[in-house]
Amino acid sequence: QLQLQESGSGLVKPSQTLSLTCAVSGGSISSGGYSWSWIRQPPGKGLEWIGYIYHSGSTYYNPSLKSRVTISVDRSKNQFSLKLSSVTAADTAVYYCAREVAMEYYFDYWGQGTLVTVSS
Amino acid sequence: QSVLTQPPSVSGAPGQRVTISCTGSSSNIGAGYDVHWYQQLPGTAPKLLIYGNSNRPSGVPDRFSGSKSGTSASLAITGLQAEDEADYYCQSYDSSLSVFGTGTKVTVL
Repeated sequence: QLQLQESGSGLVKPSQTLSLTCAVSGGSISSGGYSWSWIRQPPGKGLEWIGYIYHSGSTYYNPSLKSRVTISVDRSKNQFSLKLSSVTAADTAVYYCAREVAMEYYFDYWGQGTLVTVSS
Repeated sequence: QSVLTQPPSVSGAPGQRVTISCTGSSSNIGAGYDVHWYQQLPGTAPKLLIYGNSNRPSGVPDRFSGSKSGTSASLAITGLQAEDEADYYCQSYDSSLSVFGTGTKVTVL
């Protein structure tokens, strides 16, 4: 059974960089046919897709966040990471990592989520 | 800025049937992209409920069904149960990115 687990700082100061990692177990992040995404949900609000990294290493980001987002993969540790720069209070959210079935565009496995608060 | 519109809330008594609509446009659902549905119980991560418009993953009860027509899609829950009280989100694809619906809270009366 595939499992995803987010980790990282739960409190980030405004203007700094948010950094999160998603550890994947029960399967290889290098498996073809999938991409690995980050999705966020501000408190009491809906879901927003941030971006993904493909098994090949190619990335695609939500245009609304593209200038501030970097998603990378560490195949040796079977994990992928999110960096979001120049954060503001509007970036306060629960951040989820998820596996997307490539070319079908749905998310079949999700991490439990981690709350990141942007505050001084 | 969700491009898929859902009703904020729907409710029903146990055993009843409720439906949730997901309205898109010609650039997403109307362009032929599939619609997927997720259930989010309070304090938990979303869970895949329906994929490819009408397919249920293993373990999802057949009380849940999905359909798509034109620029809209629907999720139906028949035989509503107390444990179905949750938020539900539709999701599709638009201009090279995944987009989610505004979300619907289902209340079991």
